[in-house]
Formats: sequence, structure tokens, C-alpha cells
Amino acid sequence: DADVTQTPRNRITKTGKRIMLECSQTKGHDRMYWYRQDPGLGLRLIYYSFDVKDINKGEISDGYSVSRQAQAKFSLSLESAIPNQTALYFCATSDSREGATDTQYFGPGTRLTVL
Amino acid sequence: QKEVEQNSGPLSVPEGAIASLNCTYSDRGSQSFFWYRQYSGKSPELIMFIYSNGDKEDGRFTAQLNKASQYVSLLIRDSQPSDSATYLCAVRMDSSYKLIFGSGTRLLVRP
Repeated sequence: DADVTQTPRNRITKTGKRIMLECSQTKGHDRMYWYRQDPGLGLRLIYYSFDVKDINKGEISDGYSVSRQAQAKFSLSLESAIPNQTALYFCATSDSREGATDTQYFGPGTRLTVL
Repeated sequence: QKEVEQNSGPLSVPEGAIASLNCTYSDRGSQSFFWYRQYSGKSPELIMFIYSNGDKEDGRFTAQLNKASQYVSLLIRDSQPSDSATYLCAVRMDSSYKLIFGSGTRLLVRP
């Protein structure tokens, strides 16, 4: 089984709809992240969480919200989806016990299309 | 100026050659540097990280870090067609635990 899973893997929705992307991990990591990837722009951080009670905005948090339901679960919501939120979304995890290296491990991604 | 810059490519090399991928970064306080490989439509997977000046080797891959010149590079020896992918450079700047990613270099290895 994959260490980091994301659901759904693909989603097509309409402008104005609320949508939730979910991420679960079995790696036992305390830190979790949400990124989006657009062609030519690389990965951009949306939100990150260092533990269940710690949620932080990334560089592009507008239009998104998150919930850390448990150490292993971190969900991303689009309250009212718009077409420019069409992208590939990745969840990642890392372990603070690694110290300076703190390597991030990525889930398989969710391809979201907003019509 | 972008914080982490990579040439988008594509970089095309023949099978068996050495592929050299470069990345420059803006923050002199950057601590850790990562190379990820990403196949089309797939998630990034870690190749290696480096945090000390000099070279770090892992199999066919060598990461090189020069903090004075603010660049990090990845060399792939004996390139194979299966190495064809986009290579992402990521930098952890200063005391932050966030990674800043470059936009990636696309590598094509010709059989």
C-alpha cells in the first residue's frame, strides 16, 4: 500500500462548487503539506501543518482552506471553485525528527479541472 | 527574480552520456537542497539531498553544491532513456521548514 494516498485522483467540477481533496498517510510523519502544480510554474505551497493544532498559510492560500483531522489526515477545500484553480494538486509529508534534511514525500496527486 | 531558478530545457543527451542539470538560488542563508525527479503526470520522487559544500554521490547521480556561488547541480552518469523526466530543484531557505521549488528542467535521453 502507498504511504501517502490522495482522493480523488481525478475530479471535474463546475465553477462555484465546493470541493474537498483528501490526503492520508501511514508514514507516521507529523508534517503535512498541500501544493499545486501548474505547467511552467513548478510546485507552489498552499498550506502546511506541523502538527494537528498547527496550520499555516503558504504562498498561494487565497481561495483555499484546510483541515488537519488527525496526524495522518490533511484535507484541502475549495469553497467556491474557479477555473484558474484547475491544476495538479499534491499532498506531501515530512518528519520533523529528520532535522535539517526533513525530506518531503509526495502523494500521487489529484488532477482537478474546474469548468 | 525567482528564488530558485532552473533552465526549463529540454536538455537532450544521447544514451550513455553525462547529463548536467543546474539550479541557482537567491537566499544565501539556504540550508538544504533537494533534487526530485518527476515523470509526466506522476508525483515528484526524491533522488537525493545535499547540505554541505562539495559533491555527494549516490549510484549514477552526483549532487554538487557551491554555496558561495549559490548553485547546486545534479550530474547523471551513463544516462538511460528511463532517466527522461523533469528534474525539480528544491531549496530550504534559512530557518524555514518550507521548500521552494524551481520550475524544473526537462531531460530527454535519446536511445
